Amino acid sequence: DIVMTQSPDSLAVSLGERATITCKSSQSVLYSSNSKNFLAWYQQKPGQPPKLLIYWASTRESGVPDRFSASGSGTDFTLTISSLQAEDVAVYYCQQYYSTPLTFGQGTKVEIK
Amino acid sequence: EVQLVESGGGLVQPGESLRLSCTATGFIFSAYAMNWVRQAPGKGLEWVSTISGSGGSTYYADSVKGRFTISRDNSKNTLYLLMHSLRAEDTAMYYCAKDEGTETPNYLDYWGQGTRVTVSS
Repeated sequence: DIVMTQSPDSLAVSLGERATITCKSSQSVLYSSNSKNFLAWYQQKPGQPPKLLIYWASTRESGVPDRFSASGSGTDFTLTISSLQAEDVAVYYCQQYYSTPLTFGQGTKVEIK
Repeated sequence: EVQLVESGGGLVQPGESLRLSCTATGFIFSAYAMNWVRQAPGKGLEWVSTISGSGGSTYYADSVKGRFTISRDNSKNTLYLLMHSLRAEDTAMYYCAKDEGTETPNYLDYWGQGTRVTVSS
């Protein structure tokens, strides 16, 4: 199984400041035949189901604000919120879909400082 | 608008069975794989199972293999999860999630609100 490890487990950022979350996979999720990284990011606000933010490691889902960006390849990935807004308070998860079982990171809780 | 509505959760005793349902609207149901993902209270997300659009291929987490069965009825736009021999560790919110792909598990682009399963004596 591919283990996904996020850091930090939680972070507090001031409104308008940058928040950065990293996700590391235990093996590469880059599929060489199409050069795509099989990595997604989700946002889960309290009491709500997860919401897809990013897929293919860096493609923003329709409707997701452009303050959310993501990058990385192979085993190391980053989700960045460029200017934290109050509505961004949530837990963020990375997920690999390179192989089954699908696996998620443990989550990173983002709060306002 | 894609909508996924789960039902069937509840309180059951260890060893009992339960069937969850997820009714889908707003997309061509048979064209997409579907998933169940669960979240224990205060914990992270755990993938449970995926079924291909046709229903011909299924995938399970080791933790539920042999106890849970995923199925779908494309004529009714409904996804199911039949859960047997339930254990306390199966206690969770169970989410139905639409897959981006047709055959194999991919990223999950739409999620339902979830149905809660509690296994306790």
